[in-house]
Amino acid sequence: KNEVEQSPQNLTAQEGEFITINCSYSVGISALHWLQQHPGGGIVSLFMLSSGKKKHGRLIATINIQEKHSSLHITASHPRDSAVYICAVRLSNFGNEKLTFGTGTRLTIIP
Amino acid sequence: DAGVIQSPRHEVTEMGQEVTLRCKPISGHNSLFWYRQTMMRGLELLIYFNNNVPIDDSGMPEDRFSAKMPNASFSTLKIQPSEPRDSAVYFCASSLVRDSYNEQFFGPGTRLTVL
Repeated sequence: KNEVEQSPQNLTAQEGEFITINCSYSVGISALHWLQQHPGGGIVSLFMLSSGKKKHGRLIATINIQEKHSSLHITASHPRDSAVYICAVRLSNFGNEKLTFGTGTRLTIIP
Repeated sequence: DAGVIQSPRHEVTEMGQEVTLRCKPISGHNSLFWYRQTMMRGLELLIYFNNNVPIDDSGMPEDRFSAKMPNASFSTLKIQPSEPRDSAVYFCASSLVRDSYNEQFFGPGTRLTVL
């Protein structure tokens, strides 16, 4: 079983819909990252969380440490949001910066 | 800042050849990471350096892979000899590790094809 599980693996939605991508992990972590990878291949860091909630534009990320679960929400989705969204966790070992990745969620927004 | 710089962006080589991938981290960052991405395995950490010292190389697949960081502004990942199964996109990332909240910035990647 992977230490980091994402769902769904693929998601297709109409423009304007509210999108939720989920990430569950089975280990103690010091931080969780949400990354975005566009079709061209480049990877961009969207959020880094250790508790609570963060918001940037139409993107919102939440984390529940007790339940070992995080969600990424996109409001008013747009075709340019089409990308692969990857959840990654940093283990709670002090000084260990290693990230463990989920397999990603491929999001397609149809105009 | 130009961000993390990787070269080459694409590399096509024949099995058995030596391949060297290069990375220039963001100026001032003290940690550097090498990742490999394949369809089968997704993103995997190969090795990371802190202050030019290798900290975790548990992801390096075998002795054919080696990585160096001779100074704070340059790192190489070398594969010798290369094999078709090494075909992947190799990403370099850097971060400034100063507390518990350390964002990583990724380079554009090097797409390696070994024939």
